[in-house]
Amino acid sequence: DGGITQSPKYLFRKEGQNVTLSCEQNLNHDAMYWYRQDPGQGLRLIYYSQIVNDFQKGDIAEGYSVSREKKESFPLTVTSAQKNPTAFYLCASLDRGGNEKLFFGSGTQLSVL
Amino acid sequence: GQQLNQSPQSMFIQEGEDVSMNCTSSSIFNTWLWYKQDPGEGPVLLIALYKAGELTSNGRLTAQFGITRKDSFLNISASIPSDVGIYFCAGQSKSNYQLIWGAGTKLIIKP
Repeated sequence: DGGITQSPKYLFRKEGQNVTLSCEQNLNHDAMYWYRQDPGQGLRLIYYSQIVNDFQKGDIAEGYSVSREKKESFPLTVTSAQKNPTAFYLCASLDRGGNEKLFFGSGTQLSVL
Repeated sequence: GQQLNQSPQSMFIQEGEDVSMNCTSSSIFNTWLWYKQDPGEGPVLLIALYKAGELTSNGRLTAQFGITRKDSFLNISASIPSDVGIYFCAGQSKSNYQLIWGAGTKLIIKP
């Protein structure tokens, strides 16, 4: 089945630790996105990538880093510089075939130990 | 960053009632998308709108792209327990392909 796979579903981070969230898609979409969602809040854009080997900062990029070495993969690293990392992280990819539609993975809940 | 104004923030309704929610923006959009999110899951696309004035249905759901291109509404008819969740609107302009999100409408069905 085609879709977006995020892993792990739950992740715990210790103080000062970097952690990486995985996002893989087999939908052949060029554009991929990372969003952060806090309880009771909407979605805030962290980083996005329109094409392989290219990415741009979103609204809240500080403390995060990404790479886009392959079309299918867009991992997000939450660095130790991110002082409040506890949140639900959502990866998405954009279908531009005709009319644009954004499809989401099932999310990763990151918590600080 | 920019946000849409989505209202109401939450709704408490009886099963069988109709539901209406809307989003407004100061900017013009070319696309409006409506999503539903269940707890601990990613949002799922319900309806996509691409033309001003467009009215689109998906089962009991109906959404419209406002004629001014600055607003959209979503209606749910005859609500059922599985309609519970958070509904998000998102608008997109062609200029940068980024989606602007509403803060969500939480739908709760009273027992």
